[in-house]
Amino acid sequence: AQSVTQLGSHVSVSEGALVLLRCNYSSSVPPYLFWYVQYPNQGLQLLLKYTSAATLVKGINGFEAEFKKSETSFHLTKPSAHMSDAAEYFCAVSELTGNQFYFGTGTSLTVIP
Amino acid sequence: NAGVTQTPKFHILKTGQSMTLQCAQDMNHGYLSWYRQDPGMGLRRIHYSVAAGITDKGEVPDGYNVSRSNTEDFPLRLESAAPSQTSVYFCASGLYRGDGELFFGEGSRLTVL
Repeated sequence: AQSVTQLGSHVSVSEGALVLLRCNYSSSVPPYLFWYVQYPNQGLQLLLKYTSAATLVKGINGFEAEFKKSETSFHLTKPSAHMSDAAEYFCAVSELTGNQFYFGTGTSLTVIP
Repeated sequence: NAGVTQTPKFHILKTGQSMTLQCAQDMNHGYLSWYRQDPGMGLRRIHYSVAAGITDKGEVPDGYNVSRSNTEDFPLRLESAAPSQTSVYFCASGLYRGDGELFFGEGSRLTVL
């Protein structure tokens, strides 16, 4: 089974500062990788996904992530945090069949005005 | 399209009572799944289905039953609720392939007293 590790269950940044949320996966085969965002009392929404095309993936709301095979990482970044970015973020890995998603335990992002 | 619709959004029940959480999708997805979300645990898959008439157990299936009689609906039944089943439940659908993302409902918050 694959596993996903998100370093830092809570991250705080100042408004306008860089956002960096870390995700590492365990897989000998490059998987499909996803970042989801969850706003309070809502379901998960897809931010972006990596499916073996470009290693730098751009998503919604100014977020992007870079797939680094040598580091088995898929960190999420945003150059300038906005108050509306405060939410829970989940990294996920999918098996090739699509039968199973493996989710990290999530990172709660707080944006300080 | 409504996407994935879950009902109810909130419910309180007593230990030993039964309850069915409803899930309906209108995207003609073959894959449907139920997850529970608990603090610090991320999302854990309870049951899933890859087509009507086919269901299988996920990571945490004990105490839950599912059925899939058509493409659209995937109800989750708690036959005899326990306090350990207090959680937020999400239904998710997808195309059952690795590069296909999951689409989530808004969740059902269940409290078992």
